[in-house]
Amino acid sequence: GAVVSQHPSWVICKSGTSVKIECRSLDFQATTMFWYRQFPKQSLMLMATSNEGSKATYEQGVEKDKFLINHASLTLSTLTVTSAHPEDSSFYICSATFPGQGRKGYTFGSGTRLTVV
Amino acid sequence: AQSVAQPEDQVNVAEGNPLTVKCTYSVSGNPYLFWYVQYPNRGLQFLLKYITGDNLVKGSYGFEAEFNKSQTSFHLKKPSALVSDSALYFCAAHGGATNKLIFGTGTLLAVQP
Repeated sequence: GAVVSQHPSWVICKSGTSVKIECRSLDFQATTMFWYRQFPKQSLMLMATSNEGSKATYEQGVEKDKFLINHASLTLSTLTVTSAHPEDSSFYICSATFPGQGRKGYTFGSGTRLTVV
Repeated sequence: AQSVAQPEDQVNVAEGNPLTVKCTYSVSGNPYLFWYVQYPNRGLQFLLKYITGDNLVKGSYGFEAEFNKSQTSFHLKKPSALVSDSALYFCAAHGGATNKLIFGTGTLLAVQP
């Protein structure tokens, strides 16, 4: 089946540094990827929708300059947390729609635990 | 506004007993409905979905869910719970008016041996 590989699984960084999270679709082309943020014991909050070759669409309240999303190819989308601060510590998850299924199916990456110290 | 509700933060059930995790939705048009399971520090694993057709949907690991249009519900069920079913379960919906998957707040299922 369609698999989305997300790396790294966890990362610890110092406050003020930037962290890049990669999401790759394996064996299929993901024209659209979604980035979510999840706080402890809470639901997934959609941050942005990433479309290959165009600018990402951010949800209201999400800082575009802080959470940089790049979807330069049909198999790779990246989320860069710039100038990270402790409040950015969270679990980040990407997802992609199944090829040919659109909104009928989604596959998720395994998530990235970001801790900013 | 479109939304998905999971009224129970936690469901406790004894191993071997049937389990139900509740979900109701409010989306426009004919919704696509999903259930996902999440283990600690992991992404979401797909369990099942309702697109159209038979209201009773069977999914992975013995789970099933029933789509009830009149009650706008999509409750997750399993006839006999296992300790290994203990995890966080999310209900999600995709309405026709938006290209977004809307998640419920999640229900923690705890199965006691």
